[in-house]
Amino acid sequence: NAGVTQTPKFQVLKTGQSMTLQCAQDMNHEYMSWYRQDPGMGLRLIHYSVGAGITDQGEVPNGYNVSRSTTEDFPLRLLSAAPSQTSVYFCASSYDNQFTSTDTQYFGPGTRLTVL
Amino acid sequence: AQSVAQPEDQVNVAEGNPLTVKCTYSVSGNPYLFWYVQYPNRGLQFLLKYITGDNLVKGSYGFEAEFNKSQTSFHLKKPSALVSDSALYFCAVRDPGGSQGNLIFGKGTKLSVKP
Repeated sequence: NAGVTQTPKFQVLKTGQSMTLQCAQDMNHEYMSWYRQDPGMGLRLIHYSVGAGITDQGEVPNGYNVSRSTTEDFPLRLLSAAPSQTSVYFCASSYDNQFTSTDTQYFGPGTRLTVL
Repeated sequence: AQSVAQPEDQVNVAEGNPLTVKCTYSVSGNPYLFWYVQYPNRGLQFLLKYITGDNLVKGSYGFEAEFNKSQTSFHLKKPSALVSDSALYFCAVRDPGGSQGNLIFGKGTKLSVKP
């Protein structure tokens, strides 16, 4: 298993540009999520999905869109990049989609995004 | 609202000494608690979790954590620190009784182990 993979590893954008961060997992996990990591703020949830065709907002969803057309893929789209979106983005997945789940989340290696 | 606090931004210990990384939580019900570690330029790796049962939980790389319900704490410990333990450590909580069951992460504690 490759686990959770993310592409690209690094990206530099100009303000106003759009792009998609890719996330894929080969573990047949139902639950997938996107976090952003900023210094001194830990990880904050952007969007999550409990299964194909189902997505919902997390703590900081503004400026981001997601879709879940397959179990394996969960892309994150930046509609119009802003400097405030400079961050490290992590995708995560877990087997169970239940909120009461005791499941461990598995994290991808991250995408480091800089918006100029 | 559920929350997690890691009161120390950084913990410094000498190699071979015991280490403790502190975590306190606030949830409405019985919590599910997790510790993750992040090495430089890497994603988060799972260390251990507390769901129910024995208050002392053993995890990867010789780490353990003690759940204390009365103090609402879940401190991470290791009897003898290694230089290779230097990393960023995150505590996280899920409230199974809450309306939104996603993981809530603390801000992280940087552990530095000196030779």
